[in-house]
Amino acid sequence: NAGVTQTPKFQVLKTGQSMTLQCAQDMNHEYMSWYRQDPGMGLRLIHYSVGAGITDQGEVPNGYNVSRSTTEDFPLRLLSAAPSQTSVYFCASSYLQGNTEAFFGQGTRLTVV
Amino acid sequence: KQEVTQIPAALSVPEGENLVLNCSFTDSAIYNLQWFRQDPGKGLTSLLLIQSSQREQTSGRLNASLDKSSGRSTLYIAASQPGDSATYLCAVKAARETSGSRLTFGEGTQLTVNP
Repeated sequence: NAGVTQTPKFQVLKTGQSMTLQCAQDMNHEYMSWYRQDPGMGLRLIHYSVGAGITDQGEVPNGYNVSRSTTEDFPLRLLSAAPSQTSVYFCASSYLQGNTEAFFGQGTRLTVV
Repeated sequence: KQEVTQIPAALSVPEGENLVLNCSFTDSAIYNLQWFRQDPGKGLTSLLLIQSSQREQTSGRLNASLDKSSGRSTLYIAASQPGDSATYLCAVKAARETSGSRLTFGEGTQLTVNP
């Protein structure tokens, strides 16, 4: 079972560069989301989607874009990387309805220099 | 705004001890609460999910309780082992959340079990 797959696992960017973090799930979950994890701040929600074609902002959306063209994929784009975006990024998915658990990917560790 | 707090931030115990990790939340209108485990450099692994109507859930040596009215949950680990060393996170899904399945996380408790 693949679950939630994130790529790449590690990335180093220069300030101003752009890149896309990939996330794919094979559980047919409607809900997908991106979090960033920083020391002393826990996990904070960046963007989320409740289904293909529907996205919305979370707690810390500035500097990031998302799209959801299929149920399976939910890429996160950094438009112009800044050192403040150095973090560990996690993608998660779950069913939208019911008391079901959320599943997380293994994370992408991003360093912006 | 929902806020989740975990106490203690770090805990070190000798192998074999029973221990309790605490999680509190400010808004008692929750849909469910989930406990996760995170190993260094790894993702989050779901341990237990407690529905708002439940008082506790058990899986092996783990037991999670929920007191929704007081905004508290505990994770009890019996007979701790060095392999239990990890960071434990709790997350709540708000009942009033109209935008899907958003989770609010605590900052975690870093557990070290010494041989």
